[in-house]
Amino acid sequence: IQMTQSPSSLSASVGDRVTITCRASLRINSHLNWYQQKPGKAPKVLIYAASTLQSGVPSRFSGSGSETDFILTISSLQPEDSAIYYCQQSYTIPHTFGQGTRLEIK
Amino acid sequence: VQVVESGGGLVQPGGSLRLSCAASGFIFSDYWMTWVRQAPGKGLEWVANIRDDGNEKYYLDSVKGRFTISRDDAERSLYLQMNSLRDEDTAVYYCARTPKGHCNGSTCWPNLKWFDLWGQGTLVTVSS
Repeated sequence: IQMTQSPSSLSASVGDRVTITCRASLRINSHLNWYQQKPGKAPKVLIYAASTLQSGVPSRFSGSGSETDFILTISSLQPEDSAIYYCQQSYTIPHTFGQGTRLEIK
Repeated sequence: VQVVESGGGLVQPGGSLRLSCAASGFIFSDYWMTWVRQAPGKGLEWVANIRDDGNEKYYLDSVKGRFTISRDDAERSLYLQMNSLRDEDTAVYYCARTPKGHCNGSTCWPNLKWFDLWGQGTLVTVSS
């Protein structure tokens, strides 16, 4: 299954509402997770099962969608949200990741 | 609660390396475990995973027959034996704890997996 994210990069201002889209090449139910990776650090899970917020993750992050189309939303962008965001499916082997979306703060 | 990888280094093409991942602070035997890699400047790539009891193992096609994932629950450790290494295997290798199954209200996804605890990674460089 191929995972395609859009956009590949974006720039937004503090306080903006930001959305990142992930499209699966086949239906994957809700087997979709979102990760955040900052430079030189390991990824960190934000959302799993398409819309469940990982414990400890700020509530400005949310996820939606099912089957082939998914969205990660940051409701009010903060400076510390500058990172690369990846979607990942766990419906079939291999558990593929999207190519990543680089989010920059203006 | 952490996982710590070790064993990376410089190896020639065709060589072998064994990565280790030491777990602490949680019941290791309750979890699937996964290896994920990231080539320099590139995205994340799932490599292999292993069931909590060690009886199921799955691999990325490009590493099948060359890499072997294993675990020792008594030692609370995960391993990745990498043989016949190629230039394209150069990457940071991460170990990740992998919960399985989730219910949200009346809806359950018993086979859903995600990676909720990552190590710092260990760099494997394959070069002559």
